[in-house]
Amino acid sequence: AQSVTQLDSQVPVFEEAPVELRCNYSSSVSVYLFWYVQYPNQGLQLLLKYLSGSTLVKGINGFEAEFNKSQTSFHLRKPSVHISDTAEYFCAVSPGGYQKVTFGIGTKLQVIP
Amino acid sequence: GAGVSQSPSNKVTEKGKDVELRCDPISGHTALYWYRQSLGQGLEFLIYFQGNSAPDKSGLPSDRFSAERTGGSVSTLTIQRTQQEDSAVYLCASSQGDRRNSPLHFGNGTRLTVT
Repeated sequence: AQSVTQLDSQVPVFEEAPVELRCNYSSSVSVYLFWYVQYPNQGLQLLLKYLSGSTLVKGINGFEAEFNKSQTSFHLRKPSVHISDTAEYFCAVSPGGYQKVTFGIGTKLQVIP
Repeated sequence: GAGVSQSPSNKVTEKGKDVELRCDPISGHTALYWYRQSLGQGLEFLIYFQGNSAPDKSGLPSDRFSAERTGGSVSTLTIQRTQQEDSAVYLCASSQGDRRNSPLHFGNGTRLTVT
């Protein structure tokens, strides 16, 4: 079984400041990792994914995440946030193949002008 | 092309009534998921269909919940004898289901309110 822990339920940050949203996972097998974003009053959409290869993954809107196998983490980062980044961010894990995708509880990013 | 379509978008029902929620996945997507999104609970996995395989029902919270997928396409989530704690947004997602884990494409959800 796999699980995902998002340590922060809410993260307030000033506009143009850097941000890191934390995600830790547990799994007994190799995993695929994802970040999804849900903008206000919109559906979830994929931000970025790690399947294999380089541990630094770049996604849309300037976000990136780094896979750290030893720390079982997949933290999401952006060097300078904008008001439009205000949204809820979900980390997700899948053991691969024909398997279910498990999500964390989400982190609400509030960008303050 | 069209995305994942869910209906109805909003449903208000009285406690004890049965409800059916519908999901039309993206054409050609073999994998279909149902999740429940509640305040403070994140996305709770309910059930997963992959092709003709037996569904993974491990997330269904009680035997009042059931789901089926007809012809490998449209899916219906049924909640019998609804309770107030069933109030939530029910999300459906589909993917190509290949081994590279193509991303999930989500519908806009059905907001269920049990009064």
